[in-house]
Amino acid sequence: DTAVSQTPKYLVTQMGNDKSIKCEQNLGHDTMYWYKQDSKKFLKIMFSYNNKELIINETVPNRFSPKSPDKAHLNLHINSLELGDSAVYFCASSQDLAQETQYFGPGTRLLVL
Amino acid sequence: GEDVEQSLFLSVREGDSSVINCTYTDSSSTYLYWYKQEPGAGLQLLTYIFSNMDMKQDQRLTVLLNKKDKHLSLRIADTQTGDSAIYFCAESMNTGFQKLVFGTGTRLLVSP
Repeated sequence: DTAVSQTPKYLVTQMGNDKSIKCEQNLGHDTMYWYKQDSKKFLKIMFSYNNKELIINETVPNRFSPKSPDKAHLNLHINSLELGDSAVYFCASSQDLAQETQYFGPGTRLLVL
Repeated sequence: GEDVEQSLFLSVREGDSSVINCTYTDSSSTYLYWYKQEPGAGLQLLTYIFSNMDMKQDQRLTVLLNKKDKHLSLRIADTQTGDSAIYFCAESMNTGFQKLVFGTGTRLLVSP
């Protein structure tokens, strides 16, 4: 009955690899988000999607490509991973773009070696 | 700018009150939020306040908002060891669509 779920929880990979993180919400929300939390715990929005359409792209390198197959899922694909991509990635959702209360997933801890 | 500032660290004894402060930048923010992050976990929404309010109380939590100074605070009464976590304030910025901007986080340590 988890509201916002992410897989995997932990991801350790080599520099240069391509990896994906999946996110699903069962809240019936229209809007989903990806955030990055760095080693200093600073949390910054990367993307938001509303009904499968991209709304926010916060100057994220184009190695990061979000994909929303339906409004309950927002996956994050990362190409050519770099050391600086190591972080915790959080998915979140809200009812819609006007509803600002966001509910967060448990996070995916990515370590690039 | 989008800087939302918080003090980095707060240490209190169990049973004391904790006050976590935050200054934000966008005077047109509609809502301001407090989130809690326990070690190794995601963000849990604790409470929020609408910008036309100056206080909101929810059990042990009291949120105070000073719009003139763009200052937000979270008071936790009777702080428990289970309250030890990082606390983030966040403001909503209306840039044509709503966007949350998070503060730098305050690490609260509650000692027995």
